[in-house]
Amino acid sequence: DAGVTQSPTHLIKTRGQQVTLRCSPKSGHDTVSWYQQALGQGPQFIFQYYEEEERQRGNFPDRFSGHQFPNYSSELNVNALLLGDSALYLCASSRGQGGRELFFGEGSRLTVL
Amino acid sequence: AQRVTQPEKLLSVFKGAPVELKCNYSYSGSPELFWYVQYSRQRLQLLLRHISRESIKGFTADLNKGETSFHLKKPFAQEEDSAMYYCAPRYGTSYGKLTFGQGTILTVHP
Repeated sequence: DAGVTQSPTHLIKTRGQQVTLRCSPKSGHDTVSWYQQALGQGPQFIFQYYEEEERQRGNFPDRFSGHQFPNYSSELNVNALLLGDSALYLCASSRGQGGRELFFGEGSRLTVL
Repeated sequence: AQRVTQPEKLLSVFKGAPVELKCNYSYSGSPELFWYVQYSRQRLQLLLRHISRESIKGFTADLNKGETSFHLKKPFAQEEDSAMYYCAPRYGTSYGKLTFGQGTILTVHP
C-alpha cells in the first residue's frame, strides 16, 4: 500500500496564475482533507471532501476550491495566486468522515514568485 | 476562535532524561485531543489520541480539562524520539478538521 500520494512534489508559479494539486488517498479510505502549512507553522485546515462534496471548510477564501472524484481521489485548486500562498500543501485521508486517524501525504511544495 | 498553544518551539534533553511537551487548547465543548509526530524525512503521522488512553513508544498524554492542557510525556527520552511534535484538538463534529499547534522540535542528545 503506497499510502497517500500527492503530485506534484514541487512547483513554482507566478502571482495571478492558477494551480491544481492532486491527491490519491490511502487504499480503503474515502475521505480527503487538505491542509496548508506555511514555513514554521503547523498545518491549517482548508477543507474536507466526502462523497464528492465539500463537507467542512476552514478560514480560506473562495480562491481555494476542490473536487473529489468517484475513486475518492481529490484535487485542490487555487486561483489568482498570491505570494502568501507559498506553502506546503498536505493531503490527508481517513476512513469515513469521522475517521479518527488521518494519514498524511508528503505534500506539494508551492512557491509563488 | 479555537486555538492551540505549544509554548516551546525547541526542546532539548539528554538521552534517558524525562521529557514533557506542553500543549494548551482553547475550551470549546469537549474536544478530542491528538498528538501527531513528524520524524526526519517522514510524513506526519498520528502518535496518540486521548480517547484511547494508550501509551505509544513510551509516550503518554493526560487530558486536563480544568487547565485545558494535553501535555505529552515520556519518562526516559531516546535519541529516536527526536522529531517535530504537534498537538491537535478536534472540536465537536468537525471530523477531519484538526487545529494544529505550531509544533515543538524535540532534540534528544546522546
